[in-house]
Amino acid sequence: DAGITQSPRHKVTETGTPVTLRCHQTENHRYMYWYRQDPGHGLRLIHYSYGVKDTDKGEVSDGYSVSRSKTEDFLLTLESATSSQTSVYFCAIRLDSRGREQFFGPGTRLTVL
Amino acid sequence: AQSVTQLDSQVPVFEEAPVELRCNYSSSVSVYLFWYVQYPNQGLQLLLKYLSGSTLVESINGFEAEFNKSQTSFHLRKPSVHISDTAEYFCAVSDSNAGGTSYGKLTFGQGTILTVHP
Repeated sequence: DAGITQSPRHKVTETGTPVTLRCHQTENHRYMYWYRQDPGHGLRLIHYSYGVKDTDKGEVSDGYSVSRSKTEDFLLTLESATSSQTSVYFCAIRLDSRGREQFFGPGTRLTVL
Repeated sequence: AQSVTQLDSQVPVFEEAPVELRCNYSSSVSVYLFWYVQYPNQGLQLLLKYLSGSTLVESINGFEAEFNKSQTSFHLRKPSVHISDTAEYFCAVSDSNAGGTSYGKLTFGQGTILTVHP
């Protein structure tokens, strides 16, 4: 399972509060990604990282920021949560090989009231 | 930019019947193609992938997909489905340019919910 964990697994918060989701990997892979999953939209890329302190925006980055100060941790922050950010969030890593596939964490279900 | 279209949002079938889940993509560059499966209340698992070589790729549980470059399709098929195949299936594409700056980003389709009835 590529040693990916996400925390918390479930969170309920109120509009306007900051929220940080954590993705942790145990195998020192270079590439990490944050996606959100919503019905009818599949998975959409929020932000990604290609190394420590190297991050960039994805398709739906507005309202989100990320940080990667260590290889093993990739944090996703909702600066001021809104109801439209209610979703399931998945972290993924890509193996450092030519395989190119991504392996996904178990997900975090976030509800913004 | 790349895009993926899964033509059916829901596919109901009876057990032991054949099934095809359709996927079309759009890209200006060469691509890698993937099918992922998500069982209820779980994360995504890789089902199969096309990188190069034979255009027909198979999974260990009987699914297969064929890369058709001229039709920009990567349809998923199984000749006989089981109840346990009930899940949501996602088609995804990434840039195959090893020297580019795509960083392995995946673009997903909207998903197809396969429901297998007894």
